[in-house]
Amino acid sequence: EAGVAQSPRYKIIEKRQSVAFWCNPISGHATLYWYQQILGQGPKLLIQFQNNGVVDDSQLPKDRFSAERLKGVDSTLKIQPAKLEDSAVYLCASGPPTTSGYTFGSGTRLTVV
Amino acid sequence: QKEVEQDPGPLSVPEGAIVSLNCTYSNSAFQYFMWYRQYSRKGPELLMYTYSSGNKEDGRFTAQVDKSSKYISLFIRDSQPSDSATYLCAMIKGGSGDKLTFGTGTRLAVRP
Repeated sequence: EAGVAQSPRYKIIEKRQSVAFWCNPISGHATLYWYQQILGQGPKLLIQFQNNGVVDDSQLPKDRFSAERLKGVDSTLKIQPAKLEDSAVYLCASGPPTTSGYTFGSGTRLTVV
Repeated sequence: QKEVEQDPGPLSVPEGAIVSLNCTYSNSAFQYFMWYRQYSRKGPELLMYTYSSGNKEDGRFTAQVDKSSKYISLFIRDSQPSDSATYLCAMIKGGSGDKLTFGTGTRLAVRP
C-alpha cells in the first residue's frame, strides 16, 4: 500500500511571501488531516476533511491559511502571507473514519526567513 | 496548563535497557490513547493504540493506561539503537471524531 505523499519536502521563503503544500492521501481514505509541527513540539491539528468537506478548522489561522480538498482526494494547504512563526513541518495524514490512528506523510519543512 | 504533558528528554540508555516513556493528561474526556514513533525528518508512525485501562503488549513494546491517574506509559524491552527516535503520546476525546492531541514528544537515544 502506497503511503501518504507530500511535496515539496523542503521550502524556504521570505516573510510575507506565499507558499503552497500538496498532499496525496492513501487511496480510499475518506479523512484527510493537516497538522503543524513546530520544532520541539507535538503536531497540532490545523484542519480535518471528510471527503471534500471540512469537519474541523477551528485551529486554522484563517486570515492567512487556507486549504482545499478537490474531489475528495488530493489536498493543498496555502499560507499567504507567511510569517516567521509559520516555520514548521506541515504534516498531512489520512485514515478511515475510525479512532484507530492514521497514517502520516513525511511532511514539508517550511522555513520563513 | 497543557492538556497532555510529556517530558521532552532527551533520554539516553544503553542497548538492551528497558525504556519507560510517560505522559499525563488533565482532561478525563480523553478515551483513546496512542503512541507514535517519529524518526528524524519523517512523519509520526503509529506504534500502539489502546482504549481501556490496563496493558497491551506488541513484541518488545507494552502500552499501559491508568485512567484513574490520567497516566499512560510505553515500555520498550531490550532496546535497540534502531529505537532511537522521538516518541509522541497522542489522545482522542470521546465524541470528538479523530482529532488527536499530542504530547511534545520524548527524544530517545539508545547507545550501542
